[in-house]
Amino acid sequence: AQTIHQWPVAEIKAVGSPLSLGCTIKGKSSPNLYWYWQATGGTLQQLFYSITVGQVESVVQLNLSASRPKDDQFILSTEKLLLSHSGFYLCAWSLGLGGNTGQLYFGEGSKLTVL
Amino acid sequence: DAKTTQPDSMESTEGETVHLPCSHATISGNEYIYWYRQVPLQGPEYVTHGLQQNTTNSMAFLAIASDRKSSTLILPHVSLRDAAVYHCILRVPIASSSFSKLVFGQGTSLSVVP
Repeated sequence: AQTIHQWPVAEIKAVGSPLSLGCTIKGKSSPNLYWYWQATGGTLQQLFYSITVGQVESVVQLNLSASRPKDDQFILSTEKLLLSHSGFYLCAWSLGLGGNTGQLYFGEGSKLTVL
Repeated sequence: DAKTTQPDSMESTEGETVHLPCSHATISGNEYIYWYRQVPLQGPEYVTHGLQQNTTNSMAFLAIASDRKSSTLILPHVSLRDAAVYHCILRVPIASSSFSKLVFGQGTSLSVVP
């Protein structure tokens, strides 16, 4: 069975500090990977997607970056956090090439509070 | 922006069958309709999807209008654990890309009382 794990579960960070959120998918080779973000009371927005290792596409510009260093790992990061980065970050995977890319499997999420 | 319209909230009683409506008047011919549900501080959970024909699975029945401009998610015999925000979503193309994305809206908050 496939599993998706995000870390950390929650973070409280200062404005201007760096951030790194991670996501690991086990039991599925060559998945499509996604980062989503939800501000408190807001809607889910897709930030990035990746079809293969080393290749990441940005969907929404939020002064964040993403990388896929391994087939099963997706990293979201920034050098300098803004207050507006607060919210709930979700990693998700879907089947890759030829699969149903609309059926996403989400992780547990990482809650970020920027003070 | 979300391409679907849903009521903000609905209430049901345990054991009832719930009909959650969704309007997608500008849907394109090849756009699939997806339904997800989400409880606070958890990732959305896939419920079902369809293109033209009605579909059914262990969670729900999806009824799609013949003109595809609306759909209804039918939840039989709801329980307290079915309380969640239900999102009706279209998969839309990403500009300058061959890829597509799911555009979430506010969804319908379904509450279930005993």
